[in-house]
Amino acid sequence: GDSVTQMEGPVTLSEEAFLTINCTYTATGYPSLFWYVQYPGEGLQLLLKATKADDKGSNKGFEATYRKETTSFHLEKGSVQVSDSAVYFCALSERNQGGKLIFGQGTELSVKP
Amino acid sequence: DTGVSQNPRHKITKRGQNVTFRCDPISEHNRLYWYRQTLGQGPEFLTYFQNEAQLEKSRLLSDRFSAERPKGSFSTLEIQRTEQGDSAMYLCASSPVGTLNYGYTFGSGTRLTVV
Repeated sequence: GDSVTQMEGPVTLSEEAFLTINCTYTATGYPSLFWYVQYPGEGLQLLLKATKADDKGSNKGFEATYRKETTSFHLEKGSVQVSDSAVYFCALSERNQGGKLIFGQGTELSVKP
Repeated sequence: DTGVSQNPRHKITKRGQNVTFRCDPISEHNRLYWYRQTLGQGPEFLTYFQNEAQLEKSRLLSDRFSAERPKGSFSTLEIQRTEQGDSAMYLCASSPVGTLNYGYTFGSGTRLTVV
């Protein structure tokens, strides 16, 4: 079945450091890909998305490119801030499956001043 | 519209008791989803509705779990004869049909603790 694998956390960075959180997926079809973020004490929020190969999703300085050849959707940010500390989830959704999301296990990011 | 609302935020119950959670989606959203999230894991799909029809149920949803969405508005998730393994965060989300590309709106969840 479909699955999503993320790099294990926690990831600890200093402010202004470069961030990469790896995400790879297995899918039988041609899914849409998402990154969700969960800030402490809050619900899941959509961070960015991509729906076809080579699409780049971006939001709040974060970017991820849909790489079909490597089945990857790595999250990057050039300069992290303390306020980026959160848990990040990679997810996929196959077409014709009613919008059901399959999530990775999440990667906790902690940014120190 | 204030987004997806879930009640209660927290529920502590004794093993063997029944519990019911409520989700109020964004009013114009046709689809409503339930997920379960345990500590350190990503959310796992349980079930979803399109309007009042329940279109898919996960194998995770045992016979003790039942979900309804009367009149295609709010939804309830009931767990009968709770077990300690049911302790988790239960998340509700909603979306309009045909806007998968934009993702869902999630509620803040109901945290269930079975003691």
